[in-house]
Amino acid sequence: LAKTTQPISMDSYEGQEVNITCSHNNIATNDYITWYQQFPSQGPRFIIQGYKTKVTNEVASLFIPADRKSSTLSLPRVSLSDTAVYYCLVGDDSSASKIIFGSGTRLSIRP
Amino acid sequence: NAGVTQTPKFRVLKTGQSMTLLCAQDMNHEYMYWYRQDPGMGLRLIHYSVGEGTTAKGEVPDGYNVSRLKKQNFLLGLESAAPSQTSVYFCASSYLREYQETQYFGPGTRLLVL
Repeated sequence: LAKTTQPISMDSYEGQEVNITCSHNNIATNDYITWYQQFPSQGPRFIIQGYKTKVTNEVASLFIPADRKSSTLSLPRVSLSDTAVYYCLVGDDSSASKIIFGSGTRLSIRP
Repeated sequence: NAGVTQTPKFRVLKTGQSMTLLCAQDMNHEYMYWYRQDPGMGLRLIHYSVGEGTTAKGEVPDGYNVSRLKKQNFLLGLESAAPSQTSVYFCASSYLREYQETQYFGPGTRLLVL
């Protein structure tokens, strides 16, 4: 089971680029990396998912180095509405019972 | 598509009472999950199901039971509620594509046990 480690909290300002790094030293060959976003009083929401190199969608980018022992979620030009908790998860389709959310990174965006 | 819905949204119970939380999804997903989230904490998996008629224990199953009689529904039962079960409960469903899984979450049920 690949455990993830991410910063407890981060602060930034509107318009800045925010990068949140997640460490997963024991990632297995079939594991993929998924990031979720959770606003207060809501369930988590899928942001982005990847296996290696770089993945980009309309919300964020995910950078994964060759050794896959870490990953970085990049949020371009953040706004106040990006204030949320961000979770990094590692797993594959055989580990339904083992996907662990952890405490996530609490991102606070200031004007 | 309603996605994942949860009933009720909020409930207050007295210690020892029982209740059932209902989760429904209209996306034809095979996998369904029940999590609990305590204040300032991440989500912890209670039980999950990989298909109709199947259930399995997660990280914190004690004090809870589940049933998946229909593919679209996943029920979470508390037989004898305790104050330690005060929490926000989230249901999720997911589909699998190759090795990738994406979970879709419901809005949550806030439970207060007095």
